[in-house]
Amino acid sequence: DQQVKQNSPSLSVQEGRISILNCDYTNSMFDYFLWYKKYPAEGPTFLISISSIKDKNEDGRFTVFLNKSAKHLSLHIVPSQPGDSAVYFCAATPDGSSNTGKLIFGQGTTLQVKP
Amino acid sequence: DVKVTQSSRYLVKRTGEKVFLECVQDMDHENMFWYRQDPGLGLRLIYFSYDVKMKEKGDIPEGYSVSREKKERFSLILESASTNQTSMYLCASSFPRTGLARGAGELFFGEGSRLTVL
Repeated sequence: DQQVKQNSPSLSVQEGRISILNCDYTNSMFDYFLWYKKYPAEGPTFLISISSIKDKNEDGRFTVFLNKSAKHLSLHIVPSQPGDSAVYFCAATPDGSSNTGKLIFGQGTTLQVKP
Repeated sequence: DVKVTQSSRYLVKRTGEKVFLECVQDMDHENMFWYRQDPGLGLRLIYFSYDVKMKEKGDIPEGYSVSREKKERFSLILESASTNQTSMYLCASSFPRTGLARGAGELFFGEGSRLTVL
C-alpha cells in the first residue's frame, strides 16, 4: 500500500522553464512533508519542507505547495537549471505525535533539465 | 556539517553469506534509519532506532536485522543474503521530532552502499 505516490517516473524540461513535480498521499495523519534530491551514487539530500499548517513554502528557486483537501503537494523549480537534473523524492512523516521522525517516501521522479 | 558515513560503497556477496553494513553519524542524533532504494519503488524503510539498543521494524524488515550498541553506530545485518536483496542501502539519522526548531523530520543520509548478491 503506497501511502505516498509520485505518479510521474520522469519529467523533462528546458533550461529556464518551470519544473513541476507532483506528489499525492493517502494518509490524512501526515503532518509534515519534505522533498529530497538525489544524484546518482550519492545519498538523498534535503531540499525543502512544509508543515501541514501551511499551504506554501518558498526557498529561492524552490517552492512547495500543499493542498490538504486534495492530499496533494507539488514542488516548483523556477527557473530550472541543468544542475537540477536528479531524482526527486517526496516524503511524509506519519507520526503526528511521536518523535521517531521516520519518513515515508514516494517512488521518485527523475527530472532532466535540457540546456 | 552532518556526516553520515557508510562503511562500504560497493559490495558483492554470494547467496547465503552473512552481510554487515555499518553506519556511523557524528551529530549525536538519537534516531537512525536503514532504507533500501529500488527503481520504481523509491525508498523503503527496513528498520529504525530511536535510542541505543532500541529498534523498530519498518515496512520491509524480513530478512534483515539491526544492531545499535552505541549512539553513533547503526548496523544492518543480512543473516543469509539472497538475490532479491540486491539493492542500494541508505543509512540516515535525525534528531527526534520535538518541533520545527529541531528539523521536524529532516533526515541526513549517507552516500549509500550498493550491494550485489550473486
